[in-house]
Amino acid sequence: DVKVTQSSRYLVKRTGEKVFLECVQDMDHENMFWYRQDPGLGLRLIYFSYDVKMKEKGDIPEGYSVSREKKERFSLILESASTNQTSMYLCASSPLYAQGALPFEQYFGPGTRLTVT
Amino acid sequence: DAKTTQPTSMDCAEGRAANLPCNHSTISGNEYVYWYRQIHSQGPQYIIHGLKNNETNEMASLIITEDRKSSTLILPHATLRDTAVYYCIVRVLDYKLSFGAGTTVTVRA
Repeated sequence: DVKVTQSSRYLVKRTGEKVFLECVQDMDHENMFWYRQDPGLGLRLIYFSYDVKMKEKGDIPEGYSVSREKKERFSLILESASTNQTSMYLCASSPLYAQGALPFEQYFGPGTRLTVT
Repeated sequence: DAKTTQPTSMDCAEGRAANLPCNHSTISGNEYVYWYRQIHSQGPQYIIHGLKNNETNEMASLIITEDRKSSTLILPHATLRDTAVYYCIVRVLDYKLSFGAGTTVTVRA
């Protein structure tokens, strides 16, 4: 089974703090994603990475950055946390389309519920 | 992206089939229909997808009407563990998942 793990299930941070959310997958997937999920707004893509050190902006990248130094690990960084970044953050991974998987077949971690006070 | 319309909620008896409708009347020829679900306090889980033909896998069946304007996800023998929010998505072949409100399905013993 594909396993995607996230470093914390719950996190509370103060406004202005630098926040790191870590995600690790064990299936050697090339693609990794960070989403946030909010009531009324649904699921939205923040960033994705299709290879080590490669990244692309999603729909809502403002206020976030990412790092992918190793294939299995993808980090989301909130440079200066703000209250409007309080949300559920979900990491996902998927194999390459060229390997037979369709792009929307993604495997999600359990999520990190971040509260910024 | 084509807009989808799903009922807000539905109940189902354990052991019975659950039929989840989805309307997508503005779907384009290159857009897929796919379904995810999200059990409480867990990340979303991919279920099934289709383009034109009906599809079946170990989790569910997907029935797409001939005009592709609507579809139905069928959970053949619902269990309590199938209680979740189910999302119907219509989108072109790309990596950007985007969910709306979905249908909250409650399976009752």
